[in-house]
Parts: sequence; structure tokens; C-alpha cells
Amino acid sequence: GAVVSQHPSRVICKSGTSVKIECRSLDFQATTMFWYRQFPKKSLMLMATSNEGSKATYEQGVEKDKFLINHASLTLSTLTVTSAHPEDSSFYICSARDSTGGHGAYEQYFGPGTRLTVT
Amino acid sequence: DQQVKQNSPSLSVQEGRISILNCDYTNSMFDYFLWYKKYPAEGPTFLISISSIKDKNEDGRFTVFLNKSAKHLSLHIVPSQPGDSAVYFCAASAQAGTALIFGKGTTLSVSS
Repeated sequence: GAVVSQHPSRVICKSGTSVKIECRSLDFQATTMFWYRQFPKKSLMLMATSNEGSKATYEQGVEKDKFLINHASLTLSTLTVTSAHPEDSSFYICSARDSTGGHGAYEQYFGPGTRLTVT
Repeated sequence: DQQVKQNSPSLSVQEGRISILNCDYTNSMFDYFLWYKKYPAEGPTFLISISSIKDKNEDGRFTVFLNKSAKHLSLHIVPSQPGDSAVYFCAASAQAGTALIFGKGTTLSVSS
């Protein structure tokens, strides 16, 4: 089945520093990847849609200068949390969509998530 | 405005019985629906999906029913097993290639 990896799985950083999270589709190509954020006991909130070779599309209320997204290849998207603050502490999850079409045009495969803690 | 609603935050079922998780949606443009299962501190795992041209899709112990006129879908798990205990998210898509819209999830607890 389709596998999506995320790295790191857990990161603790100091306030004011930047953190990069990688999302990789391991056995398929993904022209589109998505970044979600989950607060405790809350649903998955879409942050942005990452398109290979073009700028990401951010959801309303998400600061694009704070959450930098780069989708440089068909298998890799990165999310960089810049100048992190304690309120950025959350569980970040990426997903990827198989570009081959069919039901793959709808189904998203999720990474295992990254727990970010900003102290 | 919440386009995908899971009104029951939790459900408790005994092992061997049927679990029924419900989901309602408001956007009539949704044409594909999915269920995901999620354990704490893990990413969601795809479970089963259904296209709007169907009203039922079955995969082993899991069956999803879609009632378009009522804008309602449900996930049936039978028989329920303790390992099914997790948070179940309903998701919908209005167009191929666009992001999924998720409900808030229902926590299923299956007791032995």
C-alpha cells in the first residue's frame, strides 16, 4: 500500500528557532501533498495544500510567512515553522495523494505525524 | 461552518456487537467520502471509501452506507473487536485533487 513518512517524529525546540518537517511519499508520486495540524481532542485542520513545482495554497488564518512549505519534488514536501513559539506546539500531519488518478485522485495517505513542542 | 459533522464524540460497544458511526454533511457538491481510523500520536489510516454514485461499499467487517438525499453516511463495523478502539474520522471531497474536509471524529471503545 501507499506509504508516507514524516521526519522527525518528535522535536523539541526553543522559542524563536525554526523547525523543518519532512514529508515523503515512499512508493508513489504525489503532485499534491497536504499539511494538517491537530490540537488535542480536535479534528484535523488543513493548513495548506502543497503543489509540486508551485507555491502552496494556504487556508484562511494560516500565516504563510510563518509556515513555509516547499514541494521540490514529486516525493518530498517540507514544512518549516519559522520563529516558533509555544503556541505552535502541536501535532503536524502530512498527507499525499497518488498522482496516478482513479480513486487515488481522492484518497489521501497520511504520514505518522510530527509532535512539535516549543519551549 | 462545519461541512462535515460527526455529532457523537464517543461510542462504546461490546466485543462482537455492531458499531455504527454516523456522519452528516452539508455540501451537496461532495462526491467522494472516506473513513479514517486514528490512534493517538499517529497519522490517520485509510479505512474505506464510497463514491457518490454508490449507496453501499463493503470491505470485510467494514461497510459504509451513503444516503445522498439525507446527506448522511455511516460506517458499520461488525463484529466489533477491541482492536477497533480508536478515533474514526469521516472525510469528504468535492473534487478530485482537492483537500479532504474532516469531521471532528468519534472515539470508539470496544470492550471485551
